[in-house]
Amino acid sequence: QSVLTQPPSASGTPGQRVTISCSGSSSNIGINAVNWYQQRPGTAPRLLIYSSDQRPSGVPDRFSGSKSGTSASLAISGLQSEDEADYYCAAWDESLSDVGFGGGTKLTVL
Amino acid sequence: QLQLQESGPGPVKPSETLSLTCSVSGGSISTSGYYWAWVRQSPGRGLQWIGSLSFSGTTYYSPSLRSRLTISVDWSGNQFSLKLTSVTAADAAVYYCARRPMAWHAFDIWGRGTLVTVSS
Repeated sequence: QSVLTQPPSASGTPGQRVTISCSGSSSNIGINAVNWYQQRPGTAPRLLIYSSDQRPSGVPDRFSGSKSGTSASLAISGLQSEDEADYYCAAWDESLSDVGFGGGTKLTVL
Repeated sequence: QLQLQESGPGPVKPSETLSLTCSVSGGSISTSGYYWAWVRQSPGRGLQWIGSLSFSGTTYYSPSLRSRLTISVDWSGNQFSLKLTSVTAADAAVYYCARRPMAWHAFDIWGRGTLVTVSS
């Protein structure tokens, strides 16, 4: 059972905007930053968003993050076929003294 | 460009010790402002932070693994290592090493990962 809750799947057509949610609690998302990772099959996770809404250099501005209360979201606009991947949210959990990860959302580009 | 590369002996038998090393190139692990971490991923447990090492040598462990875990560093070799004792099938996973900037609280550069199987 993951500390953070994500929908197992999401889908969209090329050019569409999709959002992926991440639900937590007052001990993690409620008080700490959220990070988002993209993982394509057979590769390591790639950091997409840090500090809830910041993009590392090299990440397209089609990717954006937001946080409100104990939930966070990753939005992908102008969906492209290369965006088909698994997406994970993560946040430090104060109660667990551990990094909490979501279970991942598999994004399919139809 | 900073690169991380995991290496290890391959399959591990139950109850034995898992040892992995992360070699860092293109930058020094003693550079201030970074942690160096181990993260694993398995189909059953998803992504799991194992532990981290600061640029000054301080270690931080996941509470769920602390009793079995040691992370150490070889400053001259620019590498850090993981030892996990008394492994079981639940420890089978892809093990990644990663860098975590202190200010970001996120893992920004990852190794390619190494698959660890646990089998007698």
